[in-house]
Amino acid sequence: AQRVTQPEKLLSVFKGAPVELKCNYSYSGSPELFWYVQYSRQRLQLLLRHISRESIKGFTADLNKGETSFHLKKPFAQEEDSAMYYCALRGRSGAGSYQLTFGKGTKLSVIP
Amino acid sequence: GAVVSQHPSWVICKSGTSVKIECRSLDFQATTMFWYRQFPKQSLMLMATSNEGSKATYEQGVEKDKFLINHASLTLSTLTVTSAHPEDSSFYICSALRGTDTQYFGPGTRLTVL
Repeated sequence: AQRVTQPEKLLSVFKGAPVELKCNYSYSGSPELFWYVQYSRQRLQLLLRHISRESIKGFTADLNKGETSFHLKKPFAQEEDSAMYYCALRGRSGAGSYQLTFGKGTKLSVIP
Repeated sequence: GAVVSQHPSWVICKSGTSVKIECRSLDFQATTMFWYRQFPKQSLMLMATSNEGSKATYEQGVEKDKFLINHASLTLSTLTVTSAHPEDSSFYICSALRGTDTQYFGPGTRLTVL
């Protein structure tokens, strides 16, 4: 079974402070990890994926297979980063098809 | 970027009635669409995978006869909640698969069953 754990429901940081949103996963195969973001009153949208190894809006995430983690980081938080962040793992579902399994999400609040 | 729409955005219905929710990919074709359910302050839970031209595959614990899915075209999938009850009240979100691995999400439909 695949599982994604985001231990923090809420994370508050001051503007300009570093941000780290934690994500741990459990999956028997080779995982594909994603971070999705949902801004207030907007739809869920892809922020970044581990295979791209890219930086989006200043955010980066490194897959650490040894620690089964995919933490999201940004060196200097901005007010516009305030949103709900979901970590997701793409793997085979119980029905046999590929699916995204989401963590419970972390609400990031950046204090001006 | 790719756009996925849902209609309606919110619906209120009486207990025992059926409600249909549409999910459309507006600028790309999607052979696969997904239906999720999200309870307040909780994560998205996959309900079923909808494949164009074939039967949907449901996740464990999801009643096929309760949540009817039809994916009749490459741009449209529908979810019908049959004989809705208050416990079916939730936020239903669809996503469409573009290519092989990128999902684009709809804005969601809030269902309230009285």
